[in-house]
Amino acid sequence: DGGITQSPKYLFRKEGQNVTLSCEQNLNHDAMYWYRQDPGQGLRLIYYSQIVNDFQKGDIAEGYSVSREKKESFPLTVTSAQKNPTAFYLCASSIMRDTDTQYFGPGTRLTVL
Amino acid sequence: SQQGEEDPQALSIQEGENATMNCSYKTSINNLQWYRQNSGRGLVHLILIRSNEREKHSGRLRVTLDTSKKSSSLLITASRAADTASYFCATEGYNMEYGNKLVFGAGTILRVKS
Repeated sequence: DGGITQSPKYLFRKEGQNVTLSCEQNLNHDAMYWYRQDPGQGLRLIYYSQIVNDFQKGDIAEGYSVSREKKESFPLTVTSAQKNPTAFYLCASSIMRDTDTQYFGPGTRLTVL
Repeated sequence: SQQGEEDPQALSIQEGENATMNCSYKTSINNLQWYRQNSGRGLVHLILIRSNEREKHSGRLRVTLDTSKKSSSLLITASRAADTASYFCATEGYNMEYGNKLVFGAGTILRVKS
C-alpha cells in the first residue's frame, strides 16, 4: 500500500464518542487526503492538506476534523456530530496537491455500535 | 458534476477472456486515472492518461481516452482470477472551489472465474 499506514484496521464507536483514525506516510509527500467510501459507491473527499499546518475541507467535512502538525501524519477525528459515520475510511498522499498519482493506505473500517 | 461514471456496474467473465470497463465524465479534465481495489483494501494506481493522449498501455492493461466523447475505457487482456477487484476511474480537473481535484466514480466490480 505504498508506504502509507492506517490504524486501526477496524474501529468500533459508541454513539456520542469521538474517535481518531491514524494515517502515517513515509513517502515524503506534501499532500495528504482523507476519503470516505460507502458500500457500492466511489470515494468522497473529507479533508485534504497541501502542506504542514494547513488543511482544507472537502465535499463532506461536516462532523470530521483533522490536523497536520507533521508532514508524515494526518489524523482524522470522527466527532459525535457525524450522524452516520459507519464507513470505510481511506487515507492517501501525493507528491504535491495538483500532481498526478495518489497512493492509498489500507483503510480503516469504522462501525458505530 | 465532474464525476466519472463507470459502466458496467458489475462484470463477470471467465479466466482468459478480456474485460472492458468504460468511464464517462462531464467536464474538461487534465488527466484520467484508473485504480484497482481488492475487497476491503486500499486503492492501487494502475494507469494515468493525460488529456492530450489517446491510448496508453501497461502490461495487460490498455486505456483509451476520447475527450470529444468525454469517455475512457480500460481493457484487461487475458484476465486472471487475481484480477477480481473493483476498478475505479478518477478524473482530475480544475474545480473553482478546490483547484485541481481528483474525483472518483462508483466503480466496476470485476469477477474473473477460474
